[in-house]
Amino acid sequence: NAGVMQNPRHLVRRRGQEARLRCSPMKGHSHVYWYRQLPEEGLKFMVYLQKENIIDESGMPKERFSAEFPKEGPSILRIQQVVRGDSAAYFCASSPIPGQGYMDTGELFFGEGSRLTVL
Amino acid sequence: DAKTTQPNSMESNEEEPVHLPCNHSTISGTDYIHWYRQLPSQGPEYVIHGLTSNVNNRMASLAIAEDRKSSTLILHRATLRDAAVYYCILRDGGSQGNLIFGKGTKLSVKP
Repeated sequence: NAGVMQNPRHLVRRRGQEARLRCSPMKGHSHVYWYRQLPEEGLKFMVYLQKENIIDESGMPKERFSAEFPKEGPSILRIQQVVRGDSAAYFCASSPIPGQGYMDTGELFFGEGSRLTVL
Repeated sequence: DAKTTQPNSMESNEEEPVHLPCNHSTISGTDYIHWYRQLPSQGPEYVIHGLTSNVNNRMASLAIAEDRKSSTLILHRATLRDAAVYYCILRDGGSQGNLIFGKGTKLSVKP
């Protein structure tokens, strides 16, 4: 059973360009979470999605950032008009459907991250 | 989710036990205590969790104080691969939302 897959692992963009980060959750998981980790800092929650729904986006910057988790395909974190301050590692995590073991552990399964560098 | 307090850093010698403390004095009755760790350049990984009783798994043990206001993650024999940042996180048992990560404890393991 493959783990959470994120791509690209490394992405370089110039200021003003767009960055798209993809996350394929573990098989059978319908909940996806995105976190951002700035250099030498802890993980900050950004957004929590279920299939076709945004459940909690309280950690998302109000502008330039958006996320989706369509019925088919991976979850996408999109950053428009990137700035140097967007340089960070972006981690995706997934969890199974509540009631199917989720509440037993509350475990989130994390991917290896996508490292964005803005020049 | 209630807050936790951990030391910023700890050191251990290889093959010795490590006790990583966590204070959570405002824990509520339905909060589970979760531990994750993040190895360098990797995503966090689940270590262990518990509610009231001490817990053991293949990675570690979790000792929970009787009043639940503190807990200790125990690595029985530290290896170099255990060098990581360890996060103690409280999560309401009824919550479907995200985990709130603090600064964690950076564990260094000396050969």
